[in-house]
Amino acid sequence: KAGVTQTPRYLIKTRGQQVTLSCSPISGHRSVSWYQQTPGQGLQFLFEYFSETQRNKGNFPGRFSGRQFSNSRSEMNVSTLELGDSALYLCASSVSGGLEETQYFGPGTRLLVL
Amino acid sequence: AQSVTQLDSHVSVSEGTPVLLRCNYSSSYSPSLFWYVQHPNKGLQLLLKYTSAATLVKGINGFEAEFKKSETSFHLTKPSAHMSDAAEYFCVVSDYQGSSNTGKLIFGQGTTLQVKP
Repeated sequence: KAGVTQTPRYLIKTRGQQVTLSCSPISGHRSVSWYQQTPGQGLQFLFEYFSETQRNKGNFPGRFSGRQFSNSRSEMNVSTLELGDSALYLCASSVSGGLEETQYFGPGTRLLVL
Repeated sequence: AQSVTQLDSHVSVSEGTPVLLRCNYSSSYSPSLFWYVQHPNKGLQLLLKYTSAATLVKGINGFEAEFKKSETSFHLTKPSAHMSDAAEYFCVVSDYQGSSNTGKLIFGQGTTLQVKP
């Protein structure tokens, strides 16, 4: 089975712009979660989608949003980019997002905001 | 609320010697605990997970971890380090909010493992 894929792998944007990141989960997985990784804050949960519905959201401003499509692919969008949004954005998929399930991570999208 | 604390931000060992990466957890219920590894410029790979079955969990690449409820610990060990083990390691707990499956993982701050020749 193909793993979790994320596109693009690298992005450079300027402050004030907006960006959309894409995540394709493992076939058959319906839960997709997004995480932000920075040297200062570590790995932080952004949100989780299951069957096109956001089930859980982390403590991020409203500039961070996401959606999930009927084929379970997910996108996240960051509007009005700030320098502090520079990070590695990771998505993870699992069958249904259960507590005991393994989440499989993609390689990440590295975003640099100038 | 659930949390994990990795007790060492950096561990250095010589190749062929044992590895011990320490993790303590806090949870109001029986937790699901994981160890993930991240090599430079790579995503996260699952090493092993504990889900209330056997307390000694064996993972990939010779790693294992023991769940100790009395000590609220889930330390990761390997008998003999290899150069390829140099990476960042994360202790992780599944979040639990009432009866919901939240799909949320809570990560420790990470431990960087250095392996010297």
